[in-house]
Amino acid sequence: NAGVTQTPKFQVLKTGQSMTLQCAQDMNHNSMYWYRQDPGMGLRLIYYSASEGTTDKGEVPNGYNVSRLNKREFSLRLESAAPSQTSVYFCASRARGNQPQHFGDGTRLSIL
Amino acid sequence: AQSVTQPDIHITVSEGASLELRCNYSYGATPYLFWYVQSPGQGLQLLLKYFSGDTLVQGIKGFEAEFKRSQSSFNLRKPSVHWSDAAEYFCAVGSAIKAAGNKLTFGGGTRVLVKP
Repeated sequence: NAGVTQTPKFQVLKTGQSMTLQCAQDMNHNSMYWYRQDPGMGLRLIYYSASEGTTDKGEVPNGYNVSRLNKREFSLRLESAAPSQTSVYFCASRARGNQPQHFGDGTRLSIL
Repeated sequence: AQSVTQPDIHITVSEGASLELRCNYSYGATPYLFWYVQSPGQGLQLLLKYFSGDTLVQGIKGFEAEFKRSQSSFNLRKPSVHWSDAAEYFCAVGSAIKAAGNKLTFGGGTRVLVKP
């Protein structure tokens, strides 16, 4: 009963380092999403993948890249981390039609 | 562009008292509306959703929400709060447009503290 699994759960980086956040879902969902959560701002969409083989920018894509590796996996990459990217990152997935998004437990990322 | 406003950043309520969390949205068509709850250190769990039909929606954990189109609101209520309801609550509006990826826009959240 895994649902959406994110790795790692915690990470500390230095400014300028690169990192990939991993997300996998076992619900055979078509769409996957990456959000960042900052205090008082709710969740903001970084990138999404409406279906396997497609990716699109969300509200705050600058400084990030994504890869929809297959139907199960959707990774988020920070090429050159900046302190402003310190945040909690959530991955979500959604089935077809009028279905809600299901969220992972998040990755807490600190950039020094 | 769609947007969601949760006017109350923090709410403190006594255990056993009623709770109402406000949510106002802006959206150009009929919205899909959601309430999620987030316990500390956890991801978001869906409480309830509104797509169409009956404007009073029942969810899990004894929560309900009412869609009022004239007021662009989707307020969440619970008649009697339990200590375990202490969490952060997020309202979200979704796009029904498949080409837009069925994206969600979230409000800033309301943190609920329950007093014994």
